[in-house]
Amino acid sequence: DSGVTQTPKHLITATGQRVTLRCSPRSGDLSVYWYQQSLDQGLQFLIQYYNGEERAKGNILERFSAQQFPDLHSELNLSSLELGDSALYFCASSPRLAGGREQFFGPGTRLTVL
Amino acid sequence: EDQVTQSPEALRLQEGESSSLNCSYTVSGLRGLFWYRQDPGKGPEFLFTLYSAGEEKEKERLKATLTKKESFLHITAPKPEDSATYLCAPRTSQGGSEKLVFGKGTKLTVNP
Repeated sequence: DSGVTQTPKHLITATGQRVTLRCSPRSGDLSVYWYQQSLDQGLQFLIQYYNGEERAKGNILERFSAQQFPDLHSELNLSSLELGDSALYFCASSPRLAGGREQFFGPGTRLTVL
Repeated sequence: EDQVTQSPEALRLQEGESSSLNCSYTVSGLRGLFWYRQDPGKGPEFLFTLYSAGEEKEKERLKATLTKKESFLHITAPKPEDSATYLCAPRTSQGGSEKLVFGKGTKLTVNP
């Protein structure tokens, strides 16, 4: 158990809908990262938040957004969903903004768009 | 553009048959290289961090090594419970923050 929690574990929805994925980092970790993992693309970095502020962006679509709240939990919002958005979404956390420490991953949310 | 290539894509071994997995990379602002293990449907589990060429780290039957452009994960006398996908991820620096760039992984199957 990495100490990172994600809810829900599974999510099934329809095209065009909007969903919210939630992540609670390990106690004391200030950085939260979101990743998407699909069969053909592997793990893709989406976005990083540090202590409530966006700090780095990767391959995140404009239909997707995220935020980190004062209690440090984070939410990833996916809107206007398409079939191709079906994937595993992982959250990871680390203590600092950068340098020296590994990222610990949560168990993921499996999103299925029908 | 940052690129990470892992080979082979899949590897089948008999229990006790040692082998190596390769991770080659071209990234800017390298700040270390990470190895993770991922079981089906689960989150990646941290194995090793390597920071400089020539560095080696060991954990049970696994040993990770790093050169300037490659990293290897050596598996000695593997057991069926070592079956998993092994992911490598160079960490790159951008604008004061850092991100991991993952390879697509090597799926290892160890048969009893």
